[in-house]
Amino acid sequence: GQNIDQPTEMTATEGAIVQINCTYQTSGFNGLFWYQQHAGEAPTFLSYNVLDGLEEKGRFSSFLSRSKGYSYLLLKELQMKDSASYLCAVRGWAAGNKLTFGGGTRVLVKP
Amino acid sequence: EPEVTQTPSHQVTQMGQEVILRCVPISNHLYFYWYRQILGQKVEFLVSFYNNEISEKSEIFDDQFSVERPDGSNFTLKIRSTKLEDSAMYFCASRPTGATGGYTFGSGTRLTVV
Repeated sequence: GQNIDQPTEMTATEGAIVQINCTYQTSGFNGLFWYQQHAGEAPTFLSYNVLDGLEEKGRFSSFLSRSKGYSYLLLKELQMKDSASYLCAVRGWAAGNKLTFGGGTRVLVKP
Repeated sequence: EPEVTQTPSHQVTQMGQEVILRCVPISNHLYFYWYRQILGQKVEFLVSFYNNEISEKSEIFDDQFSVERPDGSNFTLKIRSTKLEDSAMYFCASRPTGATGGYTFGSGTRLTVV
């Protein structure tokens, strides 16, 4: 089975940096994804890690340590529009390569 | 940018009725998925579909549910005899082949069972 944990909520100030942690325990690992989800909308893809290390994409970076079952998403230069839920998801090896999602971290950006 | 299209955006149905949720995946994608998200809860996997058959399904996906690819473009989720607890947002997703293929989600169908 899969168990994916992330904090429920975080608050940060506009212009600051926020780090969202995700820990996972899985029976098979084939990559970790981060998605952004605004209320009532679909998840939108942010980043993908399958090897250890840091992937940088503009203001967003994601880190993976497979030996520790740990990832984080780093959001820099926070903007008000970054207020959303951030979903950590693990891809398995089973036939359909489904994504299993954590509960999401709601980030509130304050002026 | 290519999109996954879902219809309808909202559906209200009476308990016990059947509903069909429709999805048009991105045209060159070969893997299709249905997920649901009950209000305030996490996104849950329902079923994956490849090569015209189910490749994996969750415990949620019991005999009440079925999926079909009736033609080359549509992918449907049928829920028979709906229950109050089926009220949720249902998302369709698709992805291309290849390890790094990103999963693209549709905008969802909000199903309300009354």
